Amino acid sequence: DSGVTQTPKHLITATGQRVTLRCSPRSGDLSVYWYQQSLDQGLQFLIHYYNGEERAKGNILERFSAQQFPDLHSELNLSSLELGDSALYFCASSSAPYTEAFFGQGTRLTVV
Amino acid sequence: EDQVTQSPEALRLQEGESSSLNCSYTVSGLRGLFWYRQDPGKGPEFLFTLYSAGEEKEKERLKATLTKKESFLHITAPKPEDSATYLCAVKRGGAGGTSYGKLTFGQGTILTVHP
Repeated sequence: DSGVTQTPKHLITATGQRVTLRCSPRSGDLSVYWYQQSLDQGLQFLIHYYNGEERAKGNILERFSAQQFPDLHSELNLSSLELGDSALYFCASSSAPYTEAFFGQGTRLTVV
Repeated sequence: EDQVTQSPEALRLQEGESSSLNCSYTVSGLRGLFWYRQDPGKGPEFLFTLYSAGEEKEKERLKATLTKKESFLHITAPKPEDSATYLCAVKRGGAGGTSYGKLTFGQGTILTVHP
């Protein structure tokens, strides 16, 4: 158990809908990251928050947004969903930006 | 742009047959190289961090080494439970920009150990 908790574990939704994925980082970790993993793309970095502030952005679509709350938990919002958004979405956390990141078990999103 | 290339893509071993996985990287100002293990449908599990060339880390049957251009994950006398995808990733230095804290992953090596 990495100490990073993600909910829900599975999500099935229709095209055009909006979903919210939730992440609770390890106790004391200030950095939270979101990654997307699909079969053909591997693990792709989406966004990094540090102590409530956005610090880095990857190839995150404009339809996707994230935030980190004062209690350090984070949410990833995906809107206007398309079939191609079906993937595993992982949250990770680390004590500082350059230290090792610990991953949650992921949310498997299926868009139908 | 940072690049991580892992080889081979897949490796099949017999139980007890030692081998090595390779990770070649190109990054501007390496801040750390990380090895993870991932089981199907699960999140990556952290194994090792290496920060500078010449550094080595060991854990049970696994040993990771780092040079200025590549890293190796040596597996000694593997067991079937070592079967998984092994991922290598790098973080670059610099406190700003679009890569701050970002892990750039390789495509992984799928290891299968037969009893």
